Amino acid sequence: ETGVTQSPTHLIKTRGQQVTLRCSSQSGHNTVSWYQQALGQGPQFIFQYYREEENGRGNFPPRFSGLQFPNYSSELNVNALELDDSALYLCASSLAAGEQFFGPGTRLTVL
Amino acid sequence: DQQVKQNSPSLSVQEGRISILNCDYTNSMFDYFLWYKKYPAEGPTFLISISSIKDKNEDGRFTVFLNKSAKHLSLHIVPSQPGDSAVYFCAAHQRTSGTYKYIFGTGTRLKVLA
Repeated sequence: ETGVTQSPTHLIKTRGQQVTLRCSSQSGHNTVSWYQQALGQGPQFIFQYYREEENGRGNFPPRFSGLQFPNYSSELNVNALELDDSALYLCASSLAAGEQFFGPGTRLTVL
Repeated sequence: DQQVKQNSPSLSVQEGRISILNCDYTNSMFDYFLWYKKYPAEGPTFLISISSIKDKNEDGRFTVFLNKSAKHLSLHIVPSQPGDSAVYFCAAHQRTSGTYKYIFGTGTRLKVLA
């Protein structure tokens, strides 16, 4: 059984650029949630996808968008990057409302 | 508006002693609570959870206590081991209109001294 994987592990972008982060969910899981963890903070819920549909959203602007594919892998897209977007982005997969399993995260630095 | 708070950013405990990590919340609609452990360069790992209808849940060395009237929960680790050194996050589960989300606290860094 493969766990949750995320790519890339690290990424450096400049302000105004766009970025796409990827997540492969654990086998059998149909739900993916994305979180942003700024330095010294806990993970903040961005949104969740269940069977390719957005199923909940936190307090993040529309320039944060996502996709879930038929194989339940997912992408997080962030447009018009700002310095404050620098953070660890975590993906978690689950079977519907069950226990969430987190990936190791993607560290995004915006210069 | 911080709905889940962990007011102690760090805690040091001697090996073999009890570690107590605390968490406060403001929203009485949370239906269950979880504790996660996070090592550097890894994602959070689920540790233990408790339903809002219970006041205690135990799993080996880990026990979570819930005091609904005080909107407070705590994680007890007995006995503490050096491998328990990590950042611990308290999280609350909220279901709203068919969707659900987890709200995390800011974490407490536990250091268990050998």
